[in-house]
Amino acid sequence: DAGITQSPRHKVTETGTPVTLRCHQTENHRYMYWYRQDPGHGLRLIHYSYGVKDTDKGEVSDGYSVSRSKTEDFLLTLESATSSQTSVYFCAMGRGVEDTQYFGPGTRLTVL
Amino acid sequence: EDKVVQSPLSLVVHEGDTVTLNCSYEVTNFRSLLWYKQEKKAPTFLFMLTSSGIEKKSGRLSSILDKKELFSILNITATQTGDSAVYLCAVKDAGGTSYGKLTFGQGTILTVHP
Repeated sequence: DAGITQSPRHKVTETGTPVTLRCHQTENHRYMYWYRQDPGHGLRLIHYSYGVKDTDKGEVSDGYSVSRSKTEDFLLTLESATSSQTSVYFCAMGRGVEDTQYFGPGTRLTVL
Repeated sequence: EDKVVQSPLSLVVHEGDTVTLNCSYEVTNFRSLLWYKQEKKAPTFLFMLTSSGIEKKSGRLSSILDKKELFSILNITATQTGDSAVYLCAVKDAGGTSYGKLTFGQGTILTVHP
């Protein structure tokens, strides 16, 4: 979806370093989500946001934090990256609870 | 805990074949079921189903939901090589603080040979 972008698209980092992934949307959607996708697990929700400064945990939130200071930006931070956090990370947005979710292009993160 | 199971996990067919992908679910507070197609990039939305027995259709793709038996199927007729992708099923939770949380199945990898 052209209205949602992620940066960086690829990142290689070392164990123990902090990493921040950015999701930016231009659709003024209220809801934003961070997922990770791993072989055999499908997409799993890390954190989500239901408004500026309103966030909550998903099913795999350990080791991750998020922030949303503006409607258009949703940041995912790995405070101290571990190899188990090597994954493809997708951001998604939605107008409301009844709406579908539209996904960003993904960020491939490798933690060495 | 919400659970979504897709079958088969992978499928190989030839162009022109018809395929049926299955999705069964267990969810405490069902709101809707969604199908996505993923081709080496972001999942793209196909259908959202909320009512039993009402078929959603888009070209050669169609889907239906059975809320009594807790499953959905995605049909693709006259398959083409461009249909090769991972098809994801997800269920949206309606309850409490879930705020429309999606739970995804593992996906079905469809390969269509010429």
